Amino acid sequence: SAVISQKPSRDICQRGTSLTIQCQVDSQVTMMFWYRQQPGQSLTLIATANQGSEATYESGFVIDKFPISRPNLTFSTLTVSNMSPEDSSIYLCSVESPRDRSTDTQYFGPGTRLTVL
Amino acid sequence: EDQVTQSPEALRLQEGESSSLNCSYTVSGLRGLFWYRQDPGKGPEFLFTLYSAGEEKEKERLKATLTKKESFLHITAPKPEDSATYLCAFSGSARQLTFGSGTQLTVLP
Repeated sequence: SAVISQKPSRDICQRGTSLTIQCQVDSQVTMMFWYRQQPGQSLTLIATANQGSEATYESGFVIDKFPISRPNLTFSTLTVSNMSPEDSSIYLCSVESPRDRSTDTQYFGPGTRLTVL
Repeated sequence: EDQVTQSPEALRLQEGESSSLNCSYTVSGLRGLFWYRQDPGKGPEFLFTLYSAGEEKEKERLKATLTKKESFLHITAPKPEDSATYLCAFSGSARQLTFGSGTQLTVLP
């Protein structure tokens, strides 16, 4: 499995500001994913980030609100822009298994707990 | 429409009391069925991937099985440290994971 780290682990932010979350993987991976987990809810996919191409966003998520960068095969960032209290969630990055992409198995980072006041 | 439903939402067991968690799914072109464990404040931890009906996988006190319509996570003689939320997910033709709402398991000593 891949070892994934996220920064920051948690943050408390003011309404109207932006926060950039970093995701670092210990091996090169083609596909990285960003999820949101609202309090007491399951995981919802925000977007898929492939290196060298624009991120693909799921219905209900837009690039202006959640810009994503993928500068290389081990790193990605997700920015939560112009935050409101409704953005308070855990944000998770994940990667496909670096050893067998055909399995669709994903491994998750520890998450970033965001609270917006 | 592709969807996945987990039951029960919450389950309380006494230590040593075996039980099963259910994951019912509807998807065209199932590529894989996944089970994860999530502890409070942490990211999901991968447990199993199942690919075809009849397949079974085991890890310590956990065994996952798969039919054409549902998957079960059997927990044998659970311990308090097995307390967590268990998530199932599937991947279909889009090769993305769609998650269920989870079963919150509490094992009492």
